[in-house]
Amino acid sequence: DADVTQTPRNRITKTGKRIMLECSQTKGHDRMYWYRQDPGLGLRLIYYSFDVKDINKGEISDGYSVSRQAQAKFSLSLESAIPNQTALYFCATSGGQVSYNEQFFGPGTRLTVL
Amino acid sequence: SQKIEQNSEALNIQEGKTATLTCNYTNYSPAYLQWYRQDPGRGPVFLLLIRENEKEKRKERLKVTFDTTLKQSLFHITASQPADSATYLCALDKGGGSNYKLTFGKGTLLTVNP
Repeated sequence: DADVTQTPRNRITKTGKRIMLECSQTKGHDRMYWYRQDPGLGLRLIYYSFDVKDINKGEISDGYSVSRQAQAKFSLSLESAIPNQTALYFCATSGGQVSYNEQFFGPGTRLTVL
Repeated sequence: SQKIEQNSEALNIQEGKTATLTCNYTNYSPAYLQWYRQDPGRGPVFLLLIRENEKEKRKERLKVTFDTTLKQSLFHITASQPADSATYLCALDKGGGSNYKLTFGKGTLLTVNP
């Protein structure tokens, strides 16, 4: 089984809809991250959480919110989706005892906002 | 402003040759630098981490150097194979206690021709 899972894998929605992307991990890591990836812009950090009670904005948090429901679960919400939020979204984790700083990524969610 | 630049958007080489990818940064004092591999439509996968006090690190056919004076990392793949074709991302932390948050370069697309 995959260590970091994301649901859904693909989603098409309309402008103004509320969307939630979910991330679960079985690695036991404390730190979790949400990124978006756009052609030509690379990976950009949206939000990150270093433990259940610690949530921080990344470089592009406007229009997004997150919830850390448990150590293993970190959800990203788009309250009112807009077309320029069309992108590939990745969840990542870090905090292992051996490789403390490397990040482990999920398979991604391809979101299209019409 | 802080920048991470991967000097080539795309690099094409012949099988068996050594691929060398470059990552330059400005206005960062990272504690470490990481390299990731990303295949199309998939999440990045960690390859190597090198710390600020390390000059070079190797893993199988991969070698990374880190020059904090030049603010540059070089990533080498020796005896390259078509299976090495992918996008390679460098990532670094901002230092100063923000060691667990990474900023990624835009990546270099490597194509190894048989």
